[in-house]
Amino acid sequence: EIVMTQSPATLSVSPGERATLSCRASQSVSSNLAWYQQKPGQAPRLLIYGASTRATGIPARFSGSGSGTEFTLTISSLQSEDFAVYYCQQYNNWPPYTFGPGTKLEIK
Amino acid sequence: QVQLVESGGGVVQPGRSLRLSCAASGFTFSSYGMHWVRQAPGKGLEWVAVISYGGDNKDYADSVKGRFTISRDNSKNTLYLQMNSLRAEDTAVYSCAKERSLYSSSSPFDYWGQGTLVTVSP
Repeated sequence: EIVMTQSPATLSVSPGERATLSCRASQSVSSNLAWYQQKPGQAPRLLIYGASTRATGIPARFSGSGSGTEFTLTISSLQSEDFAVYYCQQYNNWPPYTFGPGTKLEIK
Repeated sequence: QVQLVESGGGVVQPGRSLRLSCAASGFTFSSYGMHWVRQAPGKGLEWVAVISYGGDNKDYADSVKGRFTISRDNSKNTLYLQMNSLRAEDTAVYSCAKERSLYSSSSPFDYWGQGTLVTVSP
């Protein structure tokens, strides 16, 4: 089973600043890596797939990078609606489809 | 637009069974693999099960293998999760999710339902 880890667990950033979230896989997942955003009481929303492709309707301030075992989600110029929990997920080697434990992005 | 609506959750005693449903609309249901994902209160996302677009192929998380069964009725655009021998640790919000890619299970999940809460308690 591929284990996904995310860092930091909590990230405090001021609106307008840049946020950088990290995700690591225990073995290579190629570029089969997705990022999801989840707000309280809501379903997760697909942000990025293929490590770097924005999903439909996702603003350009969200960008993803990386391949193999190291991945990054960058949110430039944070908006108030961006404060949420972010999960990475690998869909390269399954089952299981594994998620990271999440990074909570909070307002500083 | 794509809609996924789960139902069937509730409070159940340990060892009992429950069947969840997910009604899909807004896309060609029979062309996409579907998943169940759960989230325990205050915790992260845990993948539970996947079924291929035609229903022939199924896989499960080790934590539910042998107890849960995923199925689908493409004529009714509905996904199911039969949960037997429920345990306290199965308490979670269960959500169905659609694969992004046609006819492929190596795909992220592009639409999710709001979920239905299952509570396993004496």
